Amino acid sequence: AQSVTQLDSQVPVFEEAPVELRCNYSSSVSVYLFWYVQYPNQGLQLLLKYLSGSTLVKGINGFEAEFNKSQTSFHLRKPSVHISDTAEYFCAVSPNNNDMRFGAGTRLTVKP
Amino acid sequence: GAVVSQHPSWVICKSGTSVKIECRSLDFQATTMFWYRQFPKQSLMLMATSNEGSKATYEQGVEKDKFLINHASLTLSTLTVTSAHPEDSSFYICSARDFLAGAYEQYFGPGTRLTVT
Repeated sequence: AQSVTQLDSQVPVFEEAPVELRCNYSSSVSVYLFWYVQYPNQGLQLLLKYLSGSTLVKGINGFEAEFNKSQTSFHLRKPSVHISDTAEYFCAVSPNNNDMRFGAGTRLTVKP
Repeated sequence: GAVVSQHPSWVICKSGTSVKIECRSLDFQATTMFWYRQFPKQSLMLMATSNEGSKATYEQGVEKDKFLINHASLTLSTLTVTSAHPEDSSFYICSARDFLAGAYEQYFGPGTRLTVT
């Protein structure tokens, strides 16, 4: 079975500061990895995904993530956040091109 | 491209009634659609996987007779909450997989807020 652990339930940060949202996963097979963002009362928007190849993945809105196989991690980073980045962020794994398992989410709050 | 819609976006119903939620892939064919449930401040929990033309596969603990799923075409799946109770109040999100684009990515709908009074 696969599982996803998002290590921080809440991350407060000041505007223009860098941020890292941590994600670890466990799986006995190769997985695809995703980060989604959810704004209040909305569905999920894909930020970025790792399928194969380069371990550094760049996504939308200036976000990037690095896949680390030995540490089974897929942390999300942004060098300078904006107020508009305030949202819930979900890490997800898909082990077999079928269902997707989500982490518990990290609430990013950007303060002025 | 790859847009998924849900209707309605929010619905209030009385306890004991049934509610139908539609999930549509607007610009692609979706052989597989997924239904998730999200409680306030919590993550998405997969309820069931539906494949066009066949019966849905429900996750453990999800009552198939209560949450009826029909995937009648390559662009439409419906979730019917039967005999709804207040504990069914939740945010329901569907997603669809683009058959032609590859099997690894799901596109999510905007969600439906269900409140049972």
